[in-house]
Amino acid sequence: DVKVTQSSRYLVKRTGEKVFLECVQDMDHENMFWYRQDPGLGLRLIYFSYDVKMKEKGDIPEGYSVSREKKERFSLILESASTNQTSMYLCASSPAGTANTYEQYFGPGTRLTVT
Amino acid sequence: KQEVTQIPAALSVPEGENLVLNCSFTDSAIYNLQWFRQDPGKGLTSLLLIQSSQREQTSGRLNASLDKSSGRSTLYIAASQPGDSATYLCAVDYSGYALNFGKGTSLLVTP
Repeated sequence: DVKVTQSSRYLVKRTGEKVFLECVQDMDHENMFWYRQDPGLGLRLIYFSYDVKMKEKGDIPEGYSVSREKKERFSLILESASTNQTSMYLCASSPAGTANTYEQYFGPGTRLTVT
Repeated sequence: KQEVTQIPAALSVPEGENLVLNCSFTDSAIYNLQWFRQDPGKGLTSLLLIQSSQREQTSGRLNASLDKSSGRSTLYIAASQPGDSATYLCAVDYSGYALNFGKGTSLLVTP
């Protein structure tokens, strides 16, 4: 079974802190994704990566950056956390394929609260 | 931006009923459509993936259909059980790399 793990289930940080969210997948997937999920807004794509050191902006990249130094690991970085970044953060991965015809596998999520 | 809409937003049914969840999307040029289940406070579990060239997929008591021309997909759950209670999310791949999600249907199956 594909396993996607996220470093923390719950995280509380203060405004202005630099925050790292880590995601690791164990199935040698090329594609990795970071989403955030908010009530009434659904899931929105922040960033994705289709290969090591490659990244693409999603719908809401402002205030975030990412790092993919190894194939299995994709990190989301909040350079200076703000209260409007309080949310559930979900990581996903999928294998590369023609027109991305493969399903995405999600981690358990990190509930981040910024106070 | 392509929109994905799920109706109803919430549904409550007695155990044993067959039920249908609906998903509509604005652009028929999709790569695939995926149905997920999400339990409260948890991540997403993939239920079914329908590729653009397919009309339906089945897994156990679940059947998902896809009609690209009308921009619709349905998730059919047979003989519902309390353990089916969760939020069901529809997601459409328009781009070949990332998913556009609907806001979900929250399902409650009562004993």
